[in-house]
Amino acid sequence: QAQLVESGGGVVQPGRSLRLSCAASGLTFSSYAMHWVRQTPDKGLEWVAVISYDGSKIYYLDSVKGRFTISRDNSRNTLYLQMNSLRADDTAVYFCASPVDTPYFDHWGQGTLVTVSS
Amino acid sequence: IQLTQSPSSLSASVGDRVTITCRASQGISSFLAWYQQKPGKAPKLLIYAASTLQSGVPSRFSGSGSGTDFTLTISSLQPEDFATYYCQQLSSYPHTFGGGTKVGIK
Repeated sequence: QAQLVESGGGVVQPGRSLRLSCAASGLTFSSYAMHWVRQTPDKGLEWVAVISYDGSKIYYLDSVKGRFTISRDNSRNTLYLQMNSLRADDTAVYFCASPVDTPYFDHWGQGTLVTVSS
Repeated sequence: IQLTQSPSSLSASVGDRVTITCRASQGISSFLAWYQQKPGKAPKLLIYAASTLQSGVPSRFSGSGSGTDFTLTISSLQPEDFATYYCQQLSSYPHTFGGGTKVGIK
């Protein structure tokens, strides 16, 4: 049974950094693209970034380009999201998600809350 | 690509037929998914490629459409179906989501 578990969320001041992790188990992690999606009450669900199975292709939401970096360590079955220069509007629950059984987001983590506040 | 869902909320009774629409700002072929989300939980994939039922999802859920106009239908609403539903396009990046439709109890 494939499972994704996020960690690393918390409260951080504006302008500071935070790194999220997503640990995968029960799947051949190195075979699948991985995505980050965030959710706020105001904006709903918002796709953030994707990294291909081997890390060679990466795409970002425009509003996080230059501030967020998605990466993966296939030897550790772990996805990362390095978030720098955090802003109040980055406050959200962050989910990792992956197309495992279908080409769509059929597996999701439980989410980790990031709160950007002074 | 922007996705506009309607309605944003609705009230229905058990046994009702419920229809939710999702309109894309440009053509996305059939690269559309529907998700169900309950409070405090991650979204759950219901329908992908506009009309393909995800494994394990009850057959009362169905999807249709292509191009710019899509529909999610619940043929007979069950108590466990009260939730928020989202569409998502995977035609191009960013993989945008619709604003959601909250299905409540009448």
